[in-house]
Amino acid sequence: QQPVQSPQAVILREGEDAVINCSSSKALYSVHWYRQKHGEAPVFLMILLKGGEQKGHEKISASFNEKKQQSSLYLTASQLSYSGTYFCGTEGYGGATNKLIFGTGTLLAVQP
Amino acid sequence: SAVISQKPSRDICQRGTSLTIQCQVDSQVTMMFWYRQQPGQSLTLIATANQGSEATYESGFVIDKFPISRPNLTFSTLTVSNMSPEDSSIYLCSVETGREYEQYFGPGTRLTVT
Repeated sequence: QQPVQSPQAVILREGEDAVINCSSSKALYSVHWYRQKHGEAPVFLMILLKGGEQKGHEKISASFNEKKQQSSLYLTASQLSYSGTYFCGTEGYGGATNKLIFGTGTLLAVQP
Repeated sequence: SAVISQKPSRDICQRGTSLTIQCQVDSQVTMMFWYRQQPGQSLTLIATANQGSEATYESGFVIDKFPISRPNLTFSTLTVSNMSPEDSSIYLCSVETGREYEQYFGPGTRLTVT
C-alpha cells in the first residue's frame, strides 16, 4: 500500500516552519525524502535508516520512528526555494531490490 | 550523485504505436528503475532493471506492454508498446548510487498519446 502523507498541501509565509508526515502500513527499513518542483525531476533530500534515526540538512531535518512506521520532515525558517511537492519514498523488508514506494505527496507553497 | 539524461524529453504519439525512451547515466550503476508519474500525482514504480538479468515488474505492469533493456551499466531503455491515451504520462528513470544508496532521477519524458 502507498504511504500516506499529511498534510496534502500547506501554504507558508517566508520564515515559518512546517512539518510533513509520512505514514506506512508496512514495516519499514528506510525512508527517503524528495522534493519535486513543477516540471522537474524529484531531488533527493535525505535518507533515514531503521533505528529511530534523525538527520539534518541545512534547515531541513527529518526523523524516523520505526515502531510507528512513520517519518516526519521538518522545514524551519522556510525560504521561497522550499516550494514544491515533497514525497517520501519507503523501503520495506524483503525482496531482491531496494525499490521505493512513494507516498501521496505534500504540496508546499512558500509565499513572500 | 549521478547525472542522468533521458531521450526524448517529450513526444506526442498516435494510439497503437510504440515509443522507446532512453536513459543514460554518467557513471556505472547496478540498479536502475523506471517510474510513471501522472500530472499532479505521485510516482509509481514500473520495473527494476539490473544489468545482466531480466527486469522485475511491479504489479499491474507487464513485459509485453513495457519491455525494458539494460545492455550495460550506464544505459537502459523503456518501450511503451501499443499505446493508448491512458499511457499519457511522465516517465522517469532513476539510478541507485551514492554513499547511502539514494536514488537520483532523470529529467523525465512527457508522453502524450492521441
